[in-house]
Amino acid sequence: DQQVKQNSPSLSVQEGRISILNCDYTNSMFDYFLWYKKYPAEGPTFLISISSIKDKNEDGRFTVFLNKSAKHLSLHIVPSQPGDSAVYFCAATRGGSQGNLIFGKGTKLSVKP
Amino acid sequence: DVKVTQSSRYLVKRTGEKVFLECVQDMDHENMFWYRQDPGLGLRLIYFSYDVKMKEKGDIPEGYSVSREKKERFSLILESASTNQTSMYLCASSLMGWRGTGPHEQFFGPGTRLTVL
Repeated sequence: DQQVKQNSPSLSVQEGRISILNCDYTNSMFDYFLWYKKYPAEGPTFLISISSIKDKNEDGRFTVFLNKSAKHLSLHIVPSQPGDSAVYFCAATRGGSQGNLIFGKGTKLSVKP
Repeated sequence: DVKVTQSSRYLVKRTGEKVFLECVQDMDHENMFWYRQDPGLGLRLIYFSYDVKMKEKGDIPEGYSVSREKKERFSLILESASTNQTSMYLCASSLMGWRGTGPHEQFFGPGTRLTVL
């Protein structure tokens, strides 16, 4: 049973516009969420995270929103750049889980010039 | 900067061979993880370790074993490689201790693309 779902396998956006990547989760015990970015033939790199006590976290062009009642989070990239083209993974964890992250299947973002 | 290194970027092995994938981290992290990434399946946890000589099964441990003799090194072993183990293997480490305290972020190595013929 998939606890973290990224229902869009791919997303295409024009350069300069907003990219919105979505993630849903089923386990109400999750209390920390992360986004990773992955280029082909490289390991994922940590992008941004949010604790369940917050509903928004911002870092430069990247903002993550958390809606706990809907068990939904989203990553906004504004403005999108061609270098943002990558696969984005959403991950979730809970306290006491020894740091295990549960990953979604990823969304491939293509930003077109 | 945290650095996680993996012994090989690309590896080609034959069915039935024993395969060793090595991972080293240089930041004194407590936890280390092995994942495989396959198209459409995301990252799936094979094994993890929260201390030297400790190991825990992840979601897909069948066909794999691990070894952690030193804190900085975590090895993944394919006892008898099979074609369905062709994949991208990713090692990660995190500072979070076994009590579940500390940062959650995991830092990944560059990956090893393993092909089993």
